[in-house]
Amino acid sequence: AQSVTQPDIHITVSEGASLELRCNYSYGATPYLFWYVQSPGQGLQLLLKYFSGDTLVQGIKGFEAEFKRSQSSFNLRKPTVHWSDAAEYFCAVGFFGNEKLTFGTGTRLTIIP
Amino acid sequence: SQTIHQWPATLVQPVGSPLSLECTVEGTSNPNLYWYRQAAGRGLQLLFYSVGIGQISSEVPQNLSASRPQDRQFILSSKKLLLSDSGFYLCAWSVREANEQFFGPGTRLTVL
Repeated sequence: AQSVTQPDIHITVSEGASLELRCNYSYGATPYLFWYVQSPGQGLQLLLKYFSGDTLVQGIKGFEAEFKRSQSSFNLRKPTVHWSDAAEYFCAVGFFGNEKLTFGTGTRLTIIP
Repeated sequence: SQTIHQWPATLVQPVGSPLSLECTVEGTSNPNLYWYRQAAGRGLQLLFYSVGIGQISSEVPQNLSASRPQDRQFILSSKKLLLSDSGFYLCAWSVREANEQFFGPGTRLTVL
């Protein structure tokens, strides 16, 4: 069965610094990959997705992610974080023909002035 | 455009009482529908999903049940709530041919 690992439970970053959140998956075929963001007390919002093609994916709010097949990774990046980026971030994986997604356990991002 | 609604937004219920949470989707037809639970400080747990009216798949045996009486309506129920049912319940939908899911605003359930 596929699995998703987000090794960082909590990350603290200074406002204006760069950000990278890690995501690794375990699955034999090429997966569909997603990053979601959740603000406290709210639902999840899709930031970006990878299905095929260009391995560098641009999303909303200035985020991007890169699919690296050799490393089974799909890390999320942002060059300059803003205080409003403080939230919980979830990586998810799915595959063709399956109606479900498998979510990582999430990374909580704190922004300090 | 598509929208997804959940109600109520918050709910406080005593142990042993029944539960009914509702989720509706607008602007799409034949969606896949999902119920997730988030316990405090933890990730998402898929509870149920549905690919059509009356078709429910249960992912985790528990005190809850789900029903889909209409194409765009998904209901999460319990006959008798337990303390462990407390959490944040999220409904989501997806287009059948795609995997990306779109989430509702959630219901915060506290069982006392």
